[in-house]
Amino acid sequence: DGGITQSPKYLFRKEGQNVTLSCEQNLNHDAMYWYRQDPGQGLRLIYYSQIVNDFQKGDIAEGYSVSREKKESFPLTVTSAQKNPTAFYLCASSMGTTFYGYTFGSGTRLTVV
Amino acid sequence: SQQGEEDPQALSIQEGENATMNCSYKTSINNLQWYRQNSGRGLVHLILIRSNEREKHSGRLRVTLDTSKKSSSLLITASRAADTASYFCATDPNRDDKIIFGKGTRLHILP
Repeated sequence: DGGITQSPKYLFRKEGQNVTLSCEQNLNHDAMYWYRQDPGQGLRLIYYSQIVNDFQKGDIAEGYSVSREKKESFPLTVTSAQKNPTAFYLCASSMGTTFYGYTFGSGTRLTVV
Repeated sequence: SQQGEEDPQALSIQEGENATMNCSYKTSINNLQWYRQNSGRGLVHLILIRSNEREKHSGRLRVTLDTSKKSSSLLITASRAADTASYFCATDPNRDDKIIFGKGTRLHILP
C-alpha cells in the first residue's frame, strides 16, 4: 500500500536537545511538507521541498532544519533553538503541483520534558 | 500567512441533521480543498474544487465555491457520529507553489 509514514508517534525531548522526526513516502511524490499544529489551531508551514536536494523555508522555520537527500525521505530536526517545540507535527506529500491534494502522515506528537 | 478562515469555529448538531461549514479567503485562487482531521490523526483530503467550478459532490459531501465573494461552503448531509472531526479548508493562491490551511471548524455530532 502506498502511503506516508511518520515516526515516532510520540517523542519526548529534554531541554537543549536536538531531535529528528522521520517522514517517509512511497507514493513517488515530488513535493514534501512539514507542518506544525498547536492545540485547537490550524496548520503552520515549517519547511517544504519540491525536488531532491532543494527546500524552502515556510512561515515558521526558525529553530528547525530539514534535508532532502532522497525523494522518499524528508526528515525534520527540531533544534535547541526552538524555544517552544511542544506540538503535533505533520508531514505531507503531493505530486508537485497544487492541483492535487496533499497526503498526510499520521503525525508525531513532540513533548518537552 | 493565513488565507482561509472557517466559520463557525465549532458546530454541534444532532445525528442525521445536515452540517454546513464556510470558508472565506482573501486572494484569487487556482483551487480550494477541504480536509478532515480526526482527533490526534493526520488530515485526510476530502474534495477539491477548481476556480472555474461552482459546485461539486462526493457522496454525502457537497462543496460550493463563489469566487466573486471569495467563499466556499462544505455541506455534509445526513450526518453520522463518524463525521465528528475538524474540517479545514485549504486554498491554492495564484502564483504560489503551496496551499494554505485555515484554522478549521470542529464538528461534533450528537447521538
